[in-house]
Amino acid sequence: KAGVTQTPRYLIKTRGQQVTLSCSPISGHRSVSWYQQTPGQGLQFLFEYFSETQRNKGNFPGRFSGRQFSNSRSEMNVSTLELGDSALYLCASSFLAGVSNEQFFGPGTRLTVL
Amino acid sequence: QKEVEQNSGPLSVPEGAIASLNCTYSDRGSQSFFWYRQYSGKSPELIMSIYSNGDKEDGRFTAQLNKASQYVSLLIRDSQPSDSATYLCAGATGTASKLTFGTGTRLQVTL
Repeated sequence: KAGVTQTPRYLIKTRGQQVTLSCSPISGHRSVSWYQQTPGQGLQFLFEYFSETQRNKGNFPGRFSGRQFSNSRSEMNVSTLELGDSALYLCASSFLAGVSNEQFFGPGTRLTVL
Repeated sequence: QKEVEQNSGPLSVPEGAIASLNCTYSDRGSQSFFWYRQYSGKSPELIMSIYSNGDKEDGRFTAQLNKASQYVSLLIRDSQPSDSATYLCAGATGTASKLTFGTGTRLQVTL
């Protein structure tokens, strides 16, 4: 079974631009969560989608948004990029939503903001 | 105080020894715990999940949970150089899928 896929793998943007990242979950998985990983803050939860609905959102500004499609694929968007948005963005999928569901990470998208 | 705490290490163990990785958490509502392994430049890989008090074994790995002490651990038996990585402890609370991660412990297995 194929794992979680994320595109693109690498992105370089400049301040003020916007970016869209894509995530395809493991086949059959319906929940997708997004995380940001930086050396200073570690792994931080951004948001979670299940059945095209956002179930949870982390403590990130409104510039960070996302959505999920009917085939469970998800996108996240960051508008008005700042230097501090440089990070590894990770998508994780699980079969269902909820506290006991194991989450499997994709390879990540490394975003560099210049 | 961070919700999930880990010693950043590095924890250095000789090949063949038992590596013991520890994690404490502050939210008593945390119900599920997960251990991930992350190699440098790679994404986290799920190793173990544990939901109830006690031990859970999977091959060379044993996860231990003590909810009264708010303590989670991961034991790696017969440590191999390929086990050298950062190990992340994560907890989940309530009905949410949101994982709260510790900062990770870097493990070095020496020859």
